Amino acid sequence: GQNIDQPTEMTATEGAIVQINCTYQTSGFNGLFWYQQHAGEAPTFLSYNVLDGLEEKGRFSSFLSRSKGYSYLLLKELQMKDSASYLCAAYPSGGYNKLIFGAGTRLAVHP
Amino acid sequence: KAGVTQTPRYLIKTRGQQVTLSCSPISGHRSVSWYQQTPGQGLQFLFEYFSETQRNKGNFPGRFSGRQFSNSRSEMNVSTLELGDSALYLCASSSSGYEQYFGPGTRLTVT
Repeated sequence: GQNIDQPTEMTATEGAIVQINCTYQTSGFNGLFWYQQHAGEAPTFLSYNVLDGLEEKGRFSSFLSRSKGYSYLLLKELQMKDSASYLCAAYPSGGYNKLIFGAGTRLAVHP
Repeated sequence: KAGVTQTPRYLIKTRGQQVTLSCSPISGHRSVSWYQQTPGQGLQFLFEYFSETQRNKGNFPGRFSGRQFSNSRSEMNVSTLELGDSALYLCASSSSGYEQYFGPGTRLTVT
């Protein structure tokens, strides 16, 4: 079967670091996406990992371990505007843009 | 470049009716994917079109259908609406690469 798991909710303090984990099981695997979605808005692309390892992009980094079916999104120097849902999505083989999404992690950043 | 547009943004329908939603992709993008987003299930893939051909389909009943026109604009149709069809319907467009750009969505309420 195909399954994506991520925590439902997380809270963190402004200026801190938070790590959002995601585990996946798919029939074949091309890569792993992370999207950010503010309430009432469309998801926006954050990162796409194909190879194992850490990819850094400003305050956001994403890690992938294909052998463990595991990824995480690391957010540094948290700001209030980072309060949003973070969606993990796997891209299965032969997917033709069919992404399998997790339910999303709602992150609340407090002052 | 204009982003992905979806019309209408909000829609209220009654059980048993049918509805048609429209999506205009980013200029030059030939792939359009449709997703249903509900609080409990997250984003679930409906179908994907490329050059007027459906390349992939999710696990939704036949009441959900779609099509794509020669200008890449896409429509999805839901017939015999049920209460459970109330959701945010998102479309995403893509060029030949992996990144999908989401539209703002159509919020459908079935009463």
